[in-house]
Amino acid sequence: AQKITQTQPGMFVQEKEAVTLDCTYDTSDPSYGLFWYKQPSSGEMIFLIYQGSYDQQNATEGRYSLNFQKARKSANLVISASQLGDSAMYFCAMREGFSRGGTSYGKLTFGQGTILTVHP
Amino acid sequence: DARVTQTPRHKVTEMGQEVTMRCQPILGHNTVFWYRQTMMQGLELLAYFRNRAPLDDSGMPKDRFSAEMPDATLATLKIQPSEPRDSAVYFCASGPNWGPTGGLQPQHFGDGTRLSIL
Repeated sequence: AQKITQTQPGMFVQEKEAVTLDCTYDTSDPSYGLFWYKQPSSGEMIFLIYQGSYDQQNATEGRYSLNFQKARKSANLVISASQLGDSAMYFCAMREGFSRGGTSYGKLTFGQGTILTVHP
Repeated sequence: DARVTQTPRHKVTEMGQEVTMRCQPILGHNTVFWYRQTMMQGLELLAYFRNRAPLDDSGMPKDRFSAEMPDATLATLKIQPSEPRDSAVYFCASGPNWGPTGGLQPQHFGDGTRLSIL
């Protein structure tokens, strides 16, 4: 079963508009973290934002915010005021079980990614 | 800013040749990861280390791949012999102070090694 699901293979948005990239996850572990990474066409992986399962408030980082809905197991990335430079592939990832030992802790499981294209 | 450094950035070689990819994690990070990215499979975890000890390499083809951390500043991923299906981008990432009660510090990725096996 997929642990991280990104249902939008591609998204388009007009410059200066907000866009939401969807991510749902599957885990039975009470301790987990959710991360978003950006991969531009140049190929590097850039960390954007993270949310812990026990965090009460949604994470924000500049123009990025994470709409965390724990009961629905979703962690959508919201980019406000899109810029042309936001055009990239975006990956949602989850880390489970970091509060206990075992070989599963620490690993990041990635979704398949969403390609975001920002139009002028 | 501290960065994960990977070398080489690009590698083209013929099938059957040995390939060695190197990674210098961010100083102070105690966890190192190797990932492979392809169009078909996306990002796959190959191996990871904590405090230089291998924790999990179940994602790695054992017959031809090997990963080591000879010291805290160097991680290596070797393929011998290489095959065309190994063509991919290989990423190294490091994470700070991850352990059984570790927090949610993110992994930081290197720029990757783009490998082409002819």
